[in-house]
Amino acid sequence: QVQLQQSGPGLVKPSQTLSLTCAISGDSVSSNSAAWNWIRLSPSRGLEWLGRTYFRSKWYNDYAVSVKSRISINPDTAKNQFSLQLNSVTPEDTAVYYCARSSVAVWFDPWGQGTLVTVSS
Amino acid sequence: SYVLTQPPSVSVAPGQTAGITCGGNNIGSKSVHWYQQKPGLAPVLVVYDDRDRPSGIPERFSGSNSGNTATLTISRVEAGDEADYYCQVWDRTSDHPVFGGGTKLTVL
Repeated sequence: QVQLQQSGPGLVKPSQTLSLTCAISGDSVSSNSAAWNWIRLSPSRGLEWLGRTYFRSKWYNDYAVSVKSRISINPDTAKNQFSLQLNSVTPEDTAVYYCARSSVAVWFDPWGQGTLVTVSS
Repeated sequence: SYVLTQPPSVSVAPGQTAGITCGGNNIGSKSVHWYQQKPGLAPVLVVYDDRDRPSGIPERFSGSNSGNTATLTISRVEAGDEADYYCQVWDRTSDHPVFGGGTKLTVL
């Protein structure tokens, strides 16, 4: 049974970097059949997919157009986890952030427990 | 980009059947997935590939997809089914996933 455990700060100042980590148990970040995603939920935007990382003989990353200039998702094979970095945050980035597993181009299951990140000075 | 449209809210009495729709251009040609989200919890997959259920999801949850509308049907609704429900597809044009805006199911 795959489980995802998120960690990271719940408060980030404007213009700074949001950083979250998702630890994987029951699967491998280097799996050839999985992709590892970050998704956020906010009242204004609903559920918004942010991006993913996955391994298919080499590492690939793929990001939503809305955040492409500010985002980085990176695997950590030694710790079997992956991370999200979102730069230059504004109050508009306030949301609940989730990590989630998917196969490429299909559904998300399971999800991490969620982290409420507030952008405020 | 591809747009999915859901009604903001649906209300149903206990024991009745609830239908939550997800509209999109020729959505019948895509695979639709549905998530249930209860307050304070992460979304849970309840239907995938239009009509299949993950293990542990009651048979009361079913799905259909044709033309421009996909539907999540919840039979014999219980108070514990009260939640937000989201549909999702993979947009082949952008090669990215798309979510509907969500529907709040209220059990009267």
